[in-house]
Amino acid sequence: DAGITQSPRYKITETGRQVTLMCHQTWSHSYMFWYRQDLGHGLRLIYYSAAADITDKGEVPDGYVVSRSKTENFPLTLESATRSQTSVYFCASGAGVGELFFGEGSRLTVL
Amino acid sequence: EDKVVQSPLSLVVHEGDTVTLNCSYEVTNFRSLLWYKQEKKAPTFLFMLTSSGIEKKSGRLSSILDKKELFSILNITATQTGDSAIYLCAVGAFVGNNFNKFYFGSGTKLNVKP
Repeated sequence: DAGITQSPRYKITETGRQVTLMCHQTWSHSYMFWYRQDLGHGLRLIYYSAAADITDKGEVPDGYVVSRSKTENFPLTLESATRSQTSVYFCASGAGVGELFFGEGSRLTVL
Repeated sequence: EDKVVQSPLSLVVHEGDTVTLNCSYEVTNFRSLLWYKQEKKAPTFLFMLTSSGIEKKSGRLSSILDKKELFSILNITATQTGDSAIYLCAVGAFVGNNFNKFYFGSGTKLNVKP
């Protein structure tokens, strides 16, 4: 099915562990984004990518790493998870200047 | 620093009421303003506005942009319980190569009571 999918949808991990959140889109959109959503902060941009092998930092990039070896995939890695990274993470994609399309979100809890 | 501010943060109304949600912004290289509705899952797209003074309308929802005063409003008339959600405002800033980076406000949580 066409769309944007995230996995896992729910994840519980411990402080210091590495976690990777996956994002896959089937529209061949050039642009992909990772946001985190926390109460009172709305959606904050972590990283974005304009094309394969082109990524850049957003508003809150510290503690996160991204890669984009293929257009359709944009994984987000927390190299050493901290409690402050407990959040709901949304991946989004877009064709450029138009609307963003969001995945269903990944709820991460860091104990 | 680029920012998007939404007000009110939360709102409780009764079915049939009309509500107005506000979004003001200070964003360099403004390109567009988008409204999203978020229930218990991913945000879903409502409107995209790029020109001042042109109302976008979809059923009971409408929105307008004022690029001089740097704000937008989202109106919902004859509210229904199904309108209960968080409404997000996002501003697209031109980064380069026909690409926008989107800044989101903190959202307005609307609760429509029967």
